[in-house]
Amino acid sequence: DIQMTQSPSSLSASVGDRVTITCRASQSISSYLSWYQQKPGKAPNLLIYAASILQSGVPSRFSGSGSGTDFTLTISSLQPEDFATYYCQQSYSTPYTFGQGTKLEIK
Amino acid sequence: QLQLLESGPGLVKPSETLSLSCTVSGGSISSSTYYWGWIRQPPGKGLEWLGSIYYSGSTYDNPSLKSRVTISVDTSKNQFSLKLSSVTAADTAVYYCARLNKNYYYGMDVWGPGTSVTVSS
Repeated sequence: DIQMTQSPSSLSASVGDRVTITCRASQSISSYLSWYQQKPGKAPNLLIYAASILQSGVPSRFSGSGSGTDFTLTISSLQPEDFATYYCQQSYSTPYTFGQGTKLEIK
Repeated sequence: QLQLLESGPGLVKPSETLSLSCTVSGGSISSSTYYWGWIRQPPGKGLEWLGSIYYSGSTYDNPSLKSRVTISVDTSKNQFSLKLSSVTAADTAVYYCARLNKNYYYGMDVWGPGTSVTVSS
């Protein structure tokens, strides 16, 4: 199985901050990487697919980059609604696997 | 727009089989562009992919579940289903169904709201 490791596991930040979350795959996954946002009690919501393509309707302050084994999700200017848990997920090979999540909290 | 909705018992006894369905509305499950999947999330924990199915019936499942998972599709009802056998307390989770989009490198672009399943006697 391909292991996905996110860092940090949690992060405190303020509205307006620029935030970066990292995801590392245990082997190359090309660009088969998605990012999801999950709020308490809700289903995950797709933010970015193919490592860097913004899903329709997602604000442009979200961006993704990387290929191979190293990926990042960046939020350019945090808004109050961005405080949530973020997951990366590889779809290069089954079993598809998720990172352990990064909980983004208000400082 | 397309919506997914999970349904099934909220309480299952240990050693029994958990059975859930996902109804697809606002679109056809028989589209060649999509796979359909099941994902679960134990309380306070992360996400685990359980398996996926194509409208033709071809499936992929997670070997970590040791062949306890069966995923099937009923195109006449626009539904797909999950069966998980020999459940234990470790299978207590919120279970989600989702659409995997081939054009999105199999990103999961539509999710159901989830259904909570507790395994307890």
